[in-house]
Parts: sequence; C-alpha cells; structure tokens
Amino acid sequence: GAVVSQHPSRVICKSGTSVKIECRSLDFQATTMFWYRQFPKQSLMLMATSNEGSKATYEQGVEKDKFLINHASLTLSTLTVTSAHPEDSSFYICSARSRGTSGAYEQYFGPGTRLTVT
Amino acid sequence: RKEVEQDPGPFNVPEGATVAFNCTYSNSASQSFFWYRQDCRKEPKLLMSVYSSGNEDGRFTAQLNRASQYISLLIRDSKLSDSATYLCVVEISYNTDKLIFGTGTRLQVFP
Repeated sequence: GAVVSQHPSRVICKSGTSVKIECRSLDFQATTMFWYRQFPKQSLMLMATSNEGSKATYEQGVEKDKFLINHASLTLSTLTVTSAHPEDSSFYICSARSRGTSGAYEQYFGPGTRLTVT
Repeated sequence: RKEVEQDPGPFNVPEGATVAFNCTYSNSASQSFFWYRQDCRKEPKLLMSVYSSGNEDGRFTAQLNRASQYISLLIRDSKLSDSATYLCVVEISYNTDKLIFGTGTRLQVFP
C-alpha cells in the first residue's frame, strides 16, 4: 500500500516553543492530507484538512493560529504547533488519500508524532 | 451523543475464540464505513471496508445495517497477533474523506 512518513516520530519541547511536524507521501502525490490528534484512550480527532496550494480547513474548536498548516507541494504537508503548552501534548497523526489495490480510494496514515510539552 | 460509538472493552479471549465487535453511528447520511486496527502507540491501519451486502476477508467478517445504523466485525479463530484496538470509522459523505473515528474496542487474545 501507499506509504506516508512523518518526522519527527517523537519530540519533547519546552512550554512556549514551537514545533514543526512534517508529513510526506513517499510514493504517491496527495492533493489532500489530513491532520489528526489522539489523546490517551481517546479516538482520533480530525484537526484540519490540508489542501495543496491553498489554505487548510480547520475543524470546529481547532485554533488555526495555533496549529499552522502548510501544504507546499503534492508530497509534503507540515503542522506547526505554536507556543506549545502541556495540554498540547498528544499523538499527532497525518494521513493522505490514495487509490488502493481495489481501485477505491483509501486513507493511509503516517506513523504519528508523539509530542510532549514540558 | 458521540457520532460513532463502540464498546471500549477490553475483550479478553483465548486463542481460537470467535469475538464480535459492534458499532453504532448517529449520522444517517453516512456513506462509507471501515474497520481500522490500531496497535499500541502506532498509527491506525485499514483492516477492511464495510459494505451493505457484508464482506469477508479470511477470518474477518464485517456487516452493515443501514436501517439500524449499526456495523459489526466478527473475528473467527482468534490469534495472539489479533490483539489490538479495533476502530470503527465512518465517512459522512463520498469523497470528503473526513473520517469520524470511534474510540475503539480493545481486544486481548491470550494463549
């Protein structure tokens, strides 16, 4: 299946600093990528839809000025958590859509980035 | 009410057992349905799509009941490697790609 990578896999930062997470589609082009957040023992929550060449679409309750998304190319989207606070500590996962072996579109997830804000 | 609801479990079953997971969704306009598997501290991976006619993939069988807004996953002959969290996922409308995840049902298969 399609491969999506994320970098870094794990990051620890101090409160008030900014952290950038990269999401890459390695063997396909993705006009749309998605950013999710997952807190312990909770479900994945969609944060925003990242569209190549245009502004991201944020879900209700997600601060667009805090979570900056840039989708500069068909294979790269970045999420920057600005002025991070301990409550931003979470598992951030990106995904991208690609046509699967059955011919139907499927979403492939990156391995996730575990952010810890101290 | 949550958009996608699942029994969180855990389900503790012996190897070889048959286990069934249920899921209900609240939006009647939902179009596509999936089961994903998530291992601890890893990303979710697509297990199978769910069709109205029901579908089977080896030991896994998925069923959809649109009238009751209910989805199920049956695992036969459980293996130790089936231990994971199983996520019920719903896409509200075609080609939006916005997936709504349930909180997942944890399965632990023991020897």
